[in-house]
Amino acid sequence: DAGVIQSPRHEVTEMGQEVTLRCKPISGHDYLFWYRQTMMRGLELLIYFNNNVPIDDSGMPEDRFSAKMPNASFSTLKIQPSEPRDSAVYFCASSPLGGFYEQYFGPGTRLTVT
Amino acid sequence: DAKTTQPPSMDCAEGRAANLPCNHSTISGNEYVYWYRQIHSQGPQYIIHGLKNNETNEMASLIITEDRKSSTLILPHATLRDTAVYYCIVKGNEKLTFGTGTRLTIIP
Repeated sequence: DAGVIQSPRHEVTEMGQEVTLRCKPISGHDYLFWYRQTMMRGLELLIYFNNNVPIDDSGMPEDRFSAKMPNASFSTLKIQPSEPRDSAVYFCASSPLGGFYEQYFGPGTRLTVT
Repeated sequence: DAKTTQPPSMDCAEGRAANLPCNHSTISGNEYVYWYRQIHSQGPQYIIHGLKNNETNEMASLIITEDRKSSTLILPHATLRDTAVYYCIVKGNEKLTFGTGTRLTIIP
């Protein structure tokens, strides 16, 4: 298995632009998680899905952030409009069989908003 | 989820055992202890987890005290590739809450 796949690996955009981050979980995993990592705040959980349904979005910082999972093999995290303080590394992770098992993380997307 | 306390940094000589402590004095009966590590610029990597018994896998051993208020992750023969930030996490549901972890540096 290729593991969790994220794209793009790096994204540089200007303030005010829409940014879409993509994630393909490991096949057969029924949980998908989005995290954000910054120097100031560390690694934070933004939202997670179970069987494509959002379960907990309490970590989503504000309405500019939205996440979808249209099917079991694809999820997006969208920021519209983007701001410089959104600059961070965004990780996607997936987990099998109930989420209590280990989470497998992707390589991350490094987002820079200028 | 219970809060954990870890030393901010540790050094270990290459080839020696690295012992990383974690305090979780408020852990509940149904909460597991998980360990992850993050090598520079990579996504976190699962290492091991346990409830009350000691656990061992190909990467490490996890020793949990009888009262479950603390645990130790043991890397038996540390290599330079084990240099990373190690996170001890206590969780009772699907969510992982990462603290600041321990930055382990393996010294040649």
